[in-house]
Formats: sequence, structure tokens, C-alpha cells
Amino acid sequence: NAGVTQTPKFQVLKTGQSMTLQCAQDMNHNSMYWYRQDPGMGLRLIYYSASEGTTDKGEVPNGYNVSRLNKREFSLRLESAAPSQTSVYFCASMDSGVYSYEQYFGPGTRLTVT
Amino acid sequence: SQQGEEDPQALSIQEGENATMNCSYKTSINNLQWYRQNSGRGLVHLILIRSNEREKHSGRLRVTLDTSKKSSSLLITASRAADTASYFCATVGGGAQKLVFGQGTRLTINP
Repeated sequence: NAGVTQTPKFQVLKTGQSMTLQCAQDMNHNSMYWYRQDPGMGLRLIYYSASEGTTDKGEVPNGYNVSRLNKREFSLRLESAAPSQTSVYFCASMDSGVYSYEQYFGPGTRLTVT
Repeated sequence: SQQGEEDPQALSIQEGENATMNCSYKTSINNLQWYRQNSGRGLVHLILIRSNEREKHSGRLRVTLDTSKKSSSLLITASRAADTASYFCATVGGGAQKLVFGQGTRLTINP
């Protein structure tokens, strides 16, 4: 199993450009999450999807949109990138059915907005 | 805002010594988890302790939880160079399926 995969690994955008970060998991998990990590800080939740067909805002949703395309895939879109969105983005998934609350993380996407 | 505060922010010890990291949080929790992050990588789950548990062990890891003080500690015994990483506590509250992370402790093990 590949676990949680993310594409791309690195991206440089100019201010105002748009892009979509892709995430997929092959563990048949119900819940998926997008986080951002800024230097010296822990992870902050952007959006999450508790199950296929549902999405909810996290702590820092402004400037982002998400799509839970199917059970496997959860994408994050930046419609008009800003320098403040320079960060490392992590996708995670969790099998909410067993109430273990353990999350599995992808390797991250390092985004720079100039 | 982040739930947890971790202490210390950075810790440097010699290989073979024990490393202790602390986490404090603000609201009631269902469980508390510890994750490790190697440089440039995603987070890896280490251990989970539920709110009705006081201590838990996994290999060289020992976690304690004091819900009256809203604090937890992670002890890594007999540290190895490979333990060099950042360690994060994360809490789950009520019926939520969301993790709230602390800011992390950067641990360096010197050979």
C-alpha cells in the first residue's frame, strides 16, 4: 500500500495564480484532512472531510477550497495565491470507523508564493 | 489558535540519555496523541493515550497524562541518533474527529 500520496512535492507560484494540490489514500479511510505547517509551528487544520460528500472548515480556511472527489481523493485549491500561503501542506487520512483517531500523513507539498 | 503548548521548544542530549518532552492543553479531551516528524517529512503517529488512562508504554516510549493539570509528557529512553526529529502532541476533544496540534519540540540526539 502506498498510504497517503500527495502531488506535487514542490511548487512555486506567482501572486494571483491558482493551483490544486492533490491527495489520495489507499487505506479505505473515511476521513481526510488538509493542514498547513509554517516554520516553527505545529500543523493547523485548513479543511477536513469526515466522509465522502462532506467537507468542513478548520482553523484557517480563508483563501482555500476543497473537493472530496471520492472516498480516495481530497483536493485543496488555491484560487488566487498570496505570499501568506507560502507553507508546507500536508494531507492526512483517518479510519473514523474504529475511533482510533490515529491519522496517517502524506509526505507534504512545499509551496512558495512570490 | 493551537490547543497545546510544548516544552521545551528544543532539546539537545547525548545518545543513550533519556529525553522528556511536555505538552499542556487548554480544553477537555477525548485522547492525546504524540507524533514524530523527521526533517522534511510527514508526521508519523507514535502513541495515543485516552483521557481515562494515566500512563502508557510502547517500546522505548512512555507517555503520561494528567487531566487535572491538562498536561502530558513523552519520555524516550536510551535515545538513539535516529530519534532526532520534531515531536508534536495533538489532542482530540469531545466527539470531534479533528486533531489540534501543539507547536512541537525539536529533539537533537548527539552521537
